[in-house]
Amino acid sequence: NAGVTQTPKFQVLKTGQSMTLQCAQDMNHEYMSWYRQDPGMGLRLIHYSVGAGITDQGEVPNGYNVSRSTTEDFPLRLLSAAPSQTSVYFCASSYGQNPRRDTQYFGPGTRLTVL
Amino acid sequence: DQQVKQNSPSLSVQEGRISILNCDYTNSMFDYFLWYKKYPAEGPTFLISISSIKDKNEDGRFTVFLNKSAKHLSLHIVPSQPGDSAVYFCAASLYSSASKIIFGSGTRLSIRP
Repeated sequence: NAGVTQTPKFQVLKTGQSMTLQCAQDMNHEYMSWYRQDPGMGLRLIHYSVGAGITDQGEVPNGYNVSRSTTEDFPLRLLSAAPSQTSVYFCASSYGQNPRRDTQYFGPGTRLTVL
Repeated sequence: DQQVKQNSPSLSVQEGRISILNCDYTNSMFDYFLWYKKYPAEGPTFLISISSIKDKNEDGRFTVFLNKSAKHLSLHIVPSQPGDSAVYFCAASLYSSASKIIFGSGTRLSIRP
C-alpha cells in the first residue's frame, strides 16, 4: 500500500490563480480530511468527508472547495489564491467515519506559497 | 480563540530522562483526546489517545494523563530517546462532532545526549 499520497510536494502560485491539491489513498478508507499547518496555529481542519459524495466544512473552509467522487480521491481546490493561504497542507484518511476511534493516517504534505 | 492550547513551544530533555508535554483545553465538552507526533517534512502520526472516562492510558514508554477538573492533559515519555525528538500535537474531539479533531499548536521536543 502506498498509504496517503499528496501531489504536488511544493507549489508557488500568484495571487488570484487557482489550483487543485491532489490527495489519494489506497486503503479503502471512508474518512478523508484536509488540514493546514501554520506556525503557532497547529493543524486546522479545512474540509472533511465521511464517504464518497459526502463532504462537510471544518474550522477554516473559506477559500477552499472539495469534492469526493470516489472513495480513493479527495482533491482540495483553491479558487482564487491569496497570500493568507500560504501554508503546509496535509491530507489524512481513516478506516471508519470516526477519526476519534479510527487512526488517521496523514500524507507527507504540500507546501504552498502564494505571492 | 484556540480551544486546545500547548503553551510551551519547545522543550529540551536529556536522553534517558522523562519528557512531560502539557496541553490545556477550554471546552469542557471535549470527551476524547489524542496525541500526534510529527517529524520534519513528514505528516503527523498517531501516538496515543484517551477517553474522558479514564484518567490514564499507557502504551509502552508513552503515558497520557487526563485531569478533567483542570481541563489539562499531559504526555509522559519515559525514558526519552533521541528518536523522540519531534513536534508533538495535542488534539481533542467532541462526541457530538466526532468527525472533527481540533489540534493544538504543537510542542517541539528535543532530546539532547
